[in-house]
Amino acid sequence: EAQVTQNPRYLITVTGKKLTVTCSQNMNHEYMSWYRQDPGLGLRQIYYSMNVEVTDKGDVPEGYKVSRKEKRNFPLILESPSPNQTSLYFCASRGDRRNQETQYFGPGTRLLVL
Amino acid sequence: QQQVKQSPQSLIVQKGGISIINCAYENTAFDYFPWYQQFPGKGPALLIAIRPDVSEKKEGRFTISFNKSAKQFSLHIMDSQPGDSATYFCAASGGRTGGFKTIFGAGTRLFVKA
Repeated sequence: EAQVTQNPRYLITVTGKKLTVTCSQNMNHEYMSWYRQDPGLGLRQIYYSMNVEVTDKGDVPEGYKVSRKEKRNFPLILESPSPNQTSLYFCASRGDRRNQETQYFGPGTRLLVL
Repeated sequence: QQQVKQSPQSLIVQKGGISIINCAYENTAFDYFPWYQQFPGKGPALLIAIRPDVSEKKEGRFTISFNKSAKQFSLHIMDSQPGDSATYFCAASGGRTGGFKTIFGAGTRLFVKA
């Protein structure tokens, strides 16, 4: 089954404690992306990657890091989480970067930073 | 400016009625305009999408109308059903000139009354 998986699905942490949210896709997609969803703001793009070792900032990259060492994985790293990073996070992937037909989203990770 | 403005924030429609959600964009480099549907606890899923070379696209009960000169596009849901109750996001993305980013609207919560 074609899918994007994220782990963990729910996470409660404290300010300053480094965390990683994993994302993996099994569709051999080149393009992967991270979004955060906040009420009244829709989804905002954090980082995206057009291929292995190629990443770029989205609209809200501050406080986040990503890496793309393998095509299937695109982890999101919060080096020193703060309460304003409490949010619902989605990973997404799609095929050829020129073919924007379908972006597949993961099930989401709900993060609470105390 | 790379904003996508979506209205209304929420919408209540009687079963069998027409639901209309509007979006406006600013960046003329955008060349792909998808609509996503999101149910509670799930990631967004692509519903229908359009490119600026056509003014309308219809898939079943869902139609996108696109006005390139006004930089506006809208989603029409005909014969709305209670199962259509969800949050809808419009989005805009650009290829090479648009930086491969995807910009989402703030979302519209649709409730279809039985």
